[in-house]
Amino acid sequence: SAVISQKPSRDICQRGTSLTIQCQVDSQVTMMFWYRQQPGQSLTLIATANQGSEATYESGFVIDKFPISRPNLTFSTLTVSNMSPEDSSIYLCSAQGTGTGATEAFFGQGTRLTVV
Amino acid sequence: DAKTTQPPSMDCAEGRAANLPCNHSTISGNEYVYWYRQIHSQGPQYIIHGLKNNETNEMASLIITEDRKSSTLILPHATLRDTAVYYCIVRVSGGYQKVTFGTGTKLQVIP
Repeated sequence: SAVISQKPSRDICQRGTSLTIQCQVDSQVTMMFWYRQQPGQSLTLIATANQGSEATYESGFVIDKFPISRPNLTFSTLTVSNMSPEDSSIYLCSAQGTGTGATEAFFGQGTRLTVV
Repeated sequence: DAKTTQPPSMDCAEGRAANLPCNHSTISGNEYVYWYRQIHSQGPQYIIHGLKNNETNEMASLIITEDRKSSTLILPHATLRDTAVYYCIVRVSGGYQKVTFGTGTKLQVIP
């Protein structure tokens, strides 16, 4: 299994500003992902963080709004840019290994973001 | 990935078995069934997965029908700490596969 640490765990930010969320995994993993969970909703995948290349974004999410970095196999950041109250959500980092069989995903505890 | 259908909510008495159903009628041969749960204000937690055989671990049992079109997650002795949203997910085997969440089942364990 992998242990995932996210920082910060929560933040209150002013609209128009940006917040960078850090995700640290305690072991090297191939795949890292970022999710958003709006209040009372399920998790929605934002993007796949690719090591050494640009992230792969899901429909409805763009790099200008959610730039992602993945400098190595254990670390990634997600920035929420030019925030508005609609960006108030929990943001979760996920990691999983690769293999020929089933591989489970592990999740951080999330970053609870409130935009005022 | 195949779509799954779960009841939105269920109640279970503390100490009794909780049986959470999931329909995945369009599952393909190389897709596994995974279960995760999300306790309030925490990240999702992996519970169990299976391909075609029934599986059991220290947390739960997974029963998959012979045609693989549905499955049941069984928590043998539910406790109050099992109150959570439970997600049934089907996805292809191997790495490089993202996890797509549906709406899940909100399980309320009642004292």
